[in-house]
Amino acid sequence: EVQLVESGEGLVQPGSSMKLSCVASGFTFSNYGMNWIRQAPKKGLEWIALIYYDSSSKYYADSVKGRFTISRDNSKNTLYLEMNSLRSEDTAMYYCATYNWEGWGQGVMVTVSS
Amino acid sequence: DIVLTQSPALAVSLGQRATISCRASQSVIISRYNLIHWYQQKPGQQPKLLIYRASNLASGIPARFSGSGSGTDFTLTINPVQADDIATYYCQQSRESPWTFGGGTKLELK
Repeated sequence: EVQLVESGEGLVQPGSSMKLSCVASGFTFSNYGMNWIRQAPKKGLEWIALIYYDSSSKYYADSVKGRFTISRDNSKNTLYLEMNSLRSEDTAMYYCATYNWEGWGQGVMVTVSS
Repeated sequence: DIVLTQSPALAVSLGQRATISCRASQSVIISRYNLIHWYQQKPGQQPKLLIYRASNLASGIPARFSGSGSGTDFTLTINPVQADDIATYYCQQSRESPWTFGGGTKLELK
């Protein structure tokens, strides 16, 4: 069974940085691309980043391009999202999900506020 | 960007059919595959994949859920609606980056 467990949630000030992790199990992590998706409070879903299985390609939503970096460590079955220059509008629940969208983590809350 | 449009809410009675629509701003077909997927999300939970590539039932999803459509117009049908189906439903396209979601349709009881 696919399991994805995110960590790194917290409250940060505008302009600061934060790094989220997503540990995968139950499937061959190194064979699959992975996504990050976020959901602002009481709002819909927004895809923000995708990384290929071998890190050869990465894609970002315009809303985070240049500020967020997706990466992975296949030896640790772990996906990362490094977030810089955080803004209040980045406040959201952040989910990791498999490339085929079948597996989703439980999500972690990121709050950007002074 | 491909924009997906959903009605905000739909009221149904238990045991009846629910039809949720999703319209794309451009075709989402690649190599004869319609790259539209449907998710269910309950409050406080992560989204759950119901239907992939427009009409394929995801693993473990009950057969009362079905998907149809092609090109730009898609439908998620729940028949019959059960109490456990009260949730918000999202469509999503993976035709091209950025992968976009519809605004969600909240299924409510009449």
